[in-house]
Amino acid sequence: RKEVEQDPGPFNVPEGATVAFNCTYSNSASQSFFWYRQDCRKEPKLLMSVYSSGNEDGRFTAQLNRASQYISLLIRDSKLSDSATYLCVVNIGYGNKLVFGAGTILRVKS
Amino acid sequence: NAGVTQTPKFQVLKTGQSMTLQCAQDMNHEYMSWYRQDPGMGLRLIHYSVGAGITDQGEVPNGYNVSRSTTEDFPLRLLSAAPSQTSVYFCASSYSRVNTEAFFGQGTRLTVV
Repeated sequence: RKEVEQDPGPFNVPEGATVAFNCTYSNSASQSFFWYRQDCRKEPKLLMSVYSSGNEDGRFTAQLNRASQYISLLIRDSKLSDSATYLCVVNIGYGNKLVFGAGTILRVKS
Repeated sequence: NAGVTQTPKFQVLKTGQSMTLQCAQDMNHEYMSWYRQDPGMGLRLIHYSVGAGITDQGEVPNGYNVSRSTTEDFPLRLLSAAPSQTSVYFCASSYSRVNTEAFFGQGTRLTVV
């Protein structure tokens, strides 16, 4: 079983739609959680950290359920520029050792 | 700020050749790491370092060596290139604490023929 699992998609949505991505992780000792965004043929960049209390950044909302070992990302009012691959990332300790999911592809169409 | 700089951006090697991928950061980060990214598999950790003089293996270390003689530099050496090492390689750096952002270089696209 992979340490971090994501639905690979692709999710094809119209502009203005709300879309949700899910992610599960297997290591119960995981300490911190992130969503990264990766554009085609580019490097990953941090989108947002994920906290137990849930957190919001504009149109993006992230949730963490430690009991179920589940992370989610909600994107409201999708824009064409949101088209990218979204990577679920878990820190398993010792410095900043990150484990990446394979990513979920989002395509927003006009 | 340069951030994380990787060279080269593209490379073609013949099977059995060796080479070094360079990575440098100017943010005084303790933690540096190398990943490879293959289609459908996400980023997999090759080697990492929590500070100068300290390195350790990640998930897929075979065929690669690293060293960390300075805080700034973390080169990745391919000892004898194989077609299975065709991939996109990313170097990343961060402060050596949980819940800190990792910054990535622009990647090196390596093809082994």
